[in-house]
Amino acid sequence: DQQVKQNSPSLSVQEGRISILNCDYTNSMFDYFLWYKKYPAEGPTFLISISSIKDKNEDGRFTVFLNKSAKHLSLHIVPSQPGDSAVYFCAASTDDYKLSFGAGTTVTVRA
Amino acid sequence: NAGVTQTPKFRILKIGQSMTLQCTQDMNHNYMYWYRQDPGMGLKLIYYSVGAGITDKGEVPNGYNVSRSTTEDFPLRLELAAPSQTSVYFCASSYPPGRQSNYGYTFGSGTRLTVV
Repeated sequence: DQQVKQNSPSLSVQEGRISILNCDYTNSMFDYFLWYKKYPAEGPTFLISISSIKDKNEDGRFTVFLNKSAKHLSLHIVPSQPGDSAVYFCAASTDDYKLSFGAGTTVTVRA
Repeated sequence: NAGVTQTPKFRILKIGQSMTLQCTQDMNHNYMYWYRQDPGMGLKLIYYSVGAGITDKGEVPNGYNVSRSTTEDFPLRLELAAPSQTSVYFCASSYPPGRQSNYGYTFGSGTRLTVV
């Protein structure tokens, strides 16, 4: 069963605008959430994370929001740049070290 | 600084053949993992290791074996390849979990395996 779900397989956004990626989870024991970015023919790279004790974490153009009551998190990229075109994976963990991943959202930033 | 190195990058196997996917990291990470990614699916954990000599099953271990004789190496063995094992395989490593590490896995670039 898929405990982490990314229901939008793709997203197209114009350069300079905001990209919003969504992620839902079902396991209420998850207490740490991450976003990974992946380019073709490369492995995923860590982007940003958030602990369940917070509802927002910001790093430059990237902000992750967590709504625990809704079991929902989102990643905002502002402003979107052509180099942001990639696949983005949402991941979550309990207090162990094993991550559960969503299926990914492919972001295309149009010039 | 090589990070996590996987070999080979591509491989085509016939049904029933065996092979070993190699994974080496030079960051002195204790924790290492093998994931597979199927089209339209998230990464699924096959096996993991918390240190040399210690391995354990993940979510989808059937058809695979691992060993961890050194901190650096974590090979994944396919004994009797089946078409269902056609996938992209990623090896990753990390420090022990903790908020300081941010669960920041370092991934290799992947091995694309096709079983025909």
